Amino acid sequence: AQSVAQPEDQVNVAEGNPLTVKCTYSVSGNPYLFWYVQYPNRGLQFLLKYITGDNLVKGSYGFEAEFNKSQTSFHLKKPSALVSDSALYFCAVRSAGGGNKLTFGTGTQLKVEL
Amino acid sequence: KAGVTQTPRYLIKTRGQQVTLSCSPISGHRSVSWYQQTPGQGLQFLFEYFSETQRNKGNFPGRFSGRQFSNSRSEMNVSTLELGDSALYLCASDPTGRTNTGELFFGEGSRLTVL
Repeated sequence: AQSVAQPEDQVNVAEGNPLTVKCTYSVSGNPYLFWYVQYPNRGLQFLLKYITGDNLVKGSYGFEAEFNKSQTSFHLKKPSALVSDSALYFCAVRSAGGGNKLTFGTGTQLKVEL
Repeated sequence: KAGVTQTPRYLIKTRGQQVTLSCSPISGHRSVSWYQQTPGQGLQFLFEYFSETQRNKGNFPGRFSGRQFSNSRSEMNVSTLELGDSALYLCASDPTGRTNTGELFFGEGSRLTVL
């Protein structure tokens, strides 16, 4: 069975400061890892993914994520946070042959303050 | 290009009734997945359809069913509604074919309230 853990329910950061949203995973075989963002009363939007290749993945809106196989982690990062980044962030995993059956974490609420 | 369209956006039902939710994927997308989002259980996978065939299924009771039509539009049905079925039901489409990338395009969801 595959699983995702997002240990922080909420992350607070000041605008202009770097941000990190943590994610660890468990899956059989090579993982396919994803970050999605959800704004209030909206569906999810894809941010970035890791399938293979470089451990540092760059995505939309200046976000990036670092894949660490030994620590089974896939933390989301951004060098300089914006107030508009405030939203609910989900990490997700699927196995290589898993179709679109994604397993999502519980989500981390990011709050960026002036 | 129009996004993923889900109808209705909001609906209220009573226990024991049934409900049908509709999803129109982005034009050209042939894979459609459904997810249930609740405060308690988070996002949970319901099922995935590709070319009118169910390709994957989550751990939900048989009251939850779905189908996909030849134009890739999909519907899901929940029969004998229970209070716990109150949730945001999200549909997502995938631009790839048989090899999924997991890069899903989500609709805004159908919010079901069961009284």
